Amino acid sequence: DAGITQSPRYKITETGRQVTLMCHQTWSHSYMFWYRQDLGHGLRLIYYSAAADITDKGEVPDGYVVSRSKTENFPLTLESATRSQTSVYFCASRGDYGYTFGSGTRLTVV
Amino acid sequence: QQQVKQSPQSLIVQKGGISIINCAYENTAFDYFPWYQQFPGKGPALLIAIRPDVSEKKEGRFTISFNKSAKQFSLHIMDSQPGDSATYFCATYSGAGSYQLTFGKGTKLSVIP
Repeated sequence: DAGITQSPRYKITETGRQVTLMCHQTWSHSYMFWYRQDLGHGLRLIYYSAAADITDKGEVPDGYVVSRSKTENFPLTLESATRSQTSVYFCASRGDYGYTFGSGTRLTVV
Repeated sequence: QQQVKQSPQSLIVQKGGISIINCAYENTAFDYFPWYQQFPGKGPALLIAIRPDVSEKKEGRFTISFNKSAKQFSLHIMDSQPGDSATYFCATYSGAGSYQLTFGKGTKLSVIP
């Protein structure tokens, strides 16, 4: 199916563990983005990528790492998860008609 | 840090009424102003957008009004329906070239029968 898919849909992890959230798009869009959504804060940009091997920080990058070895994949890694990183994470890509978002990953850090 | 101020935070409207959500921005890197709609458990989806060469754009029951001099734009939902109950986000573009979206904090709309 065409679109943007995120996995896993739900994840519970322990403080200090490394966790990777996956994002895959089928359109070959150049730009991809990671946002986190928290009550009272709306959607905040974590990292974005203009193309394979080109990434840059957004508003709230601390504690996160991204990579983009292939155009279609843009994984987000929490190197050492903290409780403050409990959130819903959305991946998006930008096409001719604006942004398309995935369905999100709900991450709980305990 | 670019800011987009959205109000109200929550809104309760009776079925058939008009829902109005407002946004004010400081700067924009690209003159294109979208609104996103998000249902629980889903990602935001583009609802409607406007370019500032027009002051108003209408798509069905949804209308964007834009005031460039005041740096404000608003979403009007006419004849609001329970199916419109969702969270709505306005956004502006920042970062010339990268066109990152900066979102307002969202408005949770509840349309009651």
